[in-house]
Amino acid sequence: DIQLTQSPSFLSASVGDRLTITCRASQVISNYLAWYQQKPGKAPKLLIYAASILPSGVPSRFSGSGSGTDFTLTISSLQPEDFATYYCQELNSSPPTFGRGTRLEIK
Amino acid sequence: QVQLLQSGPGLVKPSETLSLTCTISVGPISAYWWSWIRQPPGKGLEWIGSIYYSGTTKYNPSLKSRVIISVDKSEKEFSLKLSSVIAADTAVYYCASTSSYYDSGGFYFDFWGPGALVTVSS
Repeated sequence: DIQLTQSPSFLSASVGDRLTITCRASQVISNYLAWYQQKPGKAPKLLIYAASILPSGVPSRFSGSGSGTDFTLTISSLQPEDFATYYCQELNSSPPTFGRGTRLEIK
Repeated sequence: QVQLLQSGPGLVKPSETLSLTCTISVGPISAYWWSWIRQPPGKGLEWIGSIYYSGTTKYNPSLKSRVIISVDKSEKEFSLKLSSVIAADTAVYYCASTSSYYDSGGFYFDFWGPGALVTVSS
């Protein structure tokens, strides 16, 4: 199985900050990566697929980039509703696997 | 937009079979894949398996010997059965609509059900 390593695992930030979360794959996965947002007690929500494509309805302050083994999720200006846990997921193989998550808290 | 409803018991005894159903309340069942994903309390996400509306299945090898996913197109629902459960199977179980980025693969999960906590305990 492909291993995904997210960093940092925990992040404290303020409203209005720009931040970046990194996901590194244990092998080359082209652009086959998705990102999800999960709030406490709720189901994950798809934010990005194919490394950089935003589904309809996802705010444009979210962006994704990367290819190969290294990927990033960027939030350009943090809003109060963005404080959550973020997971990456690789689409390259079966079984699809998830990173262990990055918990984003208010500073 | 797809909306999913989940149903099933919240408590299962060790060695018994966990059974959950996901009903597609809004949206079509045809031409899509449908998946089950679980999350142990305080931990990360694990893909259990997926089923195409026609009945083709894909399972996580780590669970394959204990998992059956089935679909009922007439009822617009799909189901999960996990046999011989142990305490480590305690988790929130999610169903999700699933897009395939390349032919029958490249799964990512568009819309999720609300989740159902299933506890394995005697």
